[in-house]
Amino acid sequence: DAGVTQSPTHLIKTRGQQVTLRCSPISGHKSVSWYQQVLGQGPQFIFQYYEKEERGRGNFPDRFSARQFPNYSSELNVNALLLGDSALYLCASSPSGTHLFFGSGTQLSVL
Amino acid sequence: GQQLNQSPQSMFIQEGEDVSMNCTSSSIFNTWLWYKQDPGEGPVLLIALYKAGELTSNGRLTAQFGITRKDSFLNISASIPSDVGIYFCAGPLDNQGGKLIFGQGTELSVKP
Repeated sequence: DAGVTQSPTHLIKTRGQQVTLRCSPISGHKSVSWYQQVLGQGPQFIFQYYEKEERGRGNFPDRFSARQFPNYSSELNVNALLLGDSALYLCASSPSGTHLFFGSGTQLSVL
Repeated sequence: GQQLNQSPQSMFIQEGEDVSMNCTSSSIFNTWLWYKQDPGEGPVLLIALYKAGELTSNGRLTAQFGITRKDSFLNISASIPSDVGIYFCAGPLDNQGGKLIFGQGTELSVKP
């Protein structure tokens, strides 16, 4: 069975640009969460979506937005990129509840 | 806000040795999770704990849910080279699921 898939795997952007990251959950999983992992730290919660509704938002500025589509895939958008947005962005899916299955992430570098 | 503190931050051990690491919180958790992250990959769930005092094993890994519900411990017995990676503890931010807070990780290096 396919796991959580994320695209692209790597991305280089410049300050001020906008970026869209994509995530396909495991088949049958209706919940998708997004995490930011800065080098040397644990993942930090950004958003959770369940059945296309936002269920929670972490302590991130409004430049970060997300949505979930009818097929449960999801996109994370970041506007007006800053150098500090450079990180590994992880998507996780779950049927419901706490057991999260993570993708391999998108490595974003902002120059 | 909530914070999870892991110790040690890093460990360098010889193959075959046992490993212990722990995680403490400023607040009570009803669930404790332990994940492992390999380079270039996302975290993978190793063990989930749901009750204070619970001791759960997964192969050579054993984790315990502290009685105070503010800490958890992970032990790895007879370490092997493929145990190399970063180990994270995590707990839920609320009761709805999908939102976790992670510790900063313990990086394990195993010398053959």
